[in-house]
Amino acid sequence: NAGVTQTPKFQVLKTGQSMTLQCAQDMNHEYMSWYRQDPGMGLRLIHYSVGAGITDQGEVPNGYNVSRSTTEDFPLRLLSAAPSQTSVYFCASSPGPSTGGLRYNEQFFGPGTRLTVL
Amino acid sequence: AQSVTQPDIHITVSEGASLELRCNYSYGATPYLFWYVQSPGQGLQLLLKYFSGDTLVQGIKGFEAEFKRSQSSFNLRKPSVHWSDAAEYFCAVESSYKLIFGSGTRLLVRP
Repeated sequence: NAGVTQTPKFQVLKTGQSMTLQCAQDMNHEYMSWYRQDPGMGLRLIHYSVGAGITDQGEVPNGYNVSRSTTEDFPLRLLSAAPSQTSVYFCASSPGPSTGGLRYNEQFFGPGTRLTVL
Repeated sequence: AQSVTQPDIHITVSEGASLELRCNYSYGATPYLFWYVQSPGQGLQLLLKYFSGDTLVQGIKGFEAEFKRSQSSFNLRKPSVHWSDAAEYFCAVESSYKLIFGSGTRLLVRP
């Protein structure tokens, strides 16, 4: 199993550009989520999904869109990038609520995407 | 609101010395607590987790953590630190299928 994969590893955008960060997992996990990591602030939840077709907002959702059309993929879209979105983005997955919920399962993290918005 | 506090931004210890990283949480019910480690340029790896039962939890790489409800703490310990333990450590609490992270503690290891 490849686990959780993220592409690209690095990206530089200009203000106002759009892009999609890709996340895929091959563990048949129900639960997937996106976090951003900023110095001194730990990881903050952007959006999450408890299954295909179901998404919800986390702590810092503004400026980001997600969709979950398949179990495997959970892309994160920036519609109009801003310098405040410069960060490292992590995708994570876990077996999810149908197997007892997150509290009974570990979240597996991808390697991250480092995004710079100029 | 649920929150996690890691009061130490940086900690430096000598190789072979003992380590304790502090974590305090705010949560209304019985918390589900985690410690993750992040090596430079890498993703997060789970060290250990507490759900219920024994308040002293053993994890990977020789780490352990103790849950103290009276102090709202979940401190991470290791009796003898190795140079490879240099990394950033995050404490987290689960809330409605979501993880709330502390701001992290960066561990530096002196040779």
